[in-house]
Amino acid sequence: EAEVAQSPRYKITEKSQAVAFWCDPISGHATLYWYRQILGQGPELLVQFQDESVVDDSQLPKDRFSAERLKGVDSTLKIQPAELGDSAMYLCASTRKSGNSPLHFGNGTRLTVT
Amino acid sequence: KQEVTQIPAALSVPEGENLVLNCSFTDSAIYNLQWFRQDPGKGLTSLLLIQSSQREQTSGRLNASLDKSSGRSTLYIAASQPGDSATYLCAAYGNQFYFGTGTSLTVIP
Repeated sequence: EAEVAQSPRYKITEKSQAVAFWCDPISGHATLYWYRQILGQGPELLVQFQDESVVDDSQLPKDRFSAERLKGVDSTLKIQPAELGDSAMYLCASTRKSGNSPLHFGNGTRLTVT
Repeated sequence: KQEVTQIPAALSVPEGENLVLNCSFTDSAIYNLQWFRQDPGKGLTSLLLIQSSQREQTSGRLNASLDKSSGRSTLYIAASQPGDSATYLCAAYGNQFYFGTGTSLTVIP
């Protein structure tokens, strides 16, 4: 079964450093989401792409976070500079089309900021 | 804004028991509701998706129901097994996916 690929699985970084996460959605999935999940809570949307265009980045802290999906396939989420409060699981998900089809998640990147 | 609630936050049952997990949402204008399973340190695995026009969906020992008018969905797990131990989350889709905080299920052998 096709999967959403994410790397790295774990990342430890010092505060004020830059960090980047990569995601490759299931082939043919036009819609890509980045979520942040804090332990014991549900995922919260950071940014949604439809092909290469940003559909919703209203919850993305744009002073330090950026996301791109240049060719409408894989995507990168960057944090610069990282803060202690950014420690969380960063999850990528994709759907065939926006919303009305199953959402598939990758295994996430566990970020620890020291 | 859509609010999704899952009660209880944690549940412990003996192996073989049938159980029901609850999900409630405040805005009934949804297109679908999806149930997920999350194992520790992993991403979410899709279990069932119920379209707004449907009342229920079944997959193996799992059955999910949806009542939009009352803002409720339930996930029924039959004959629970230790391998079912995980956190179960629901997500309601309107203009975006809104997630509950999950129910942590432990099935005791």
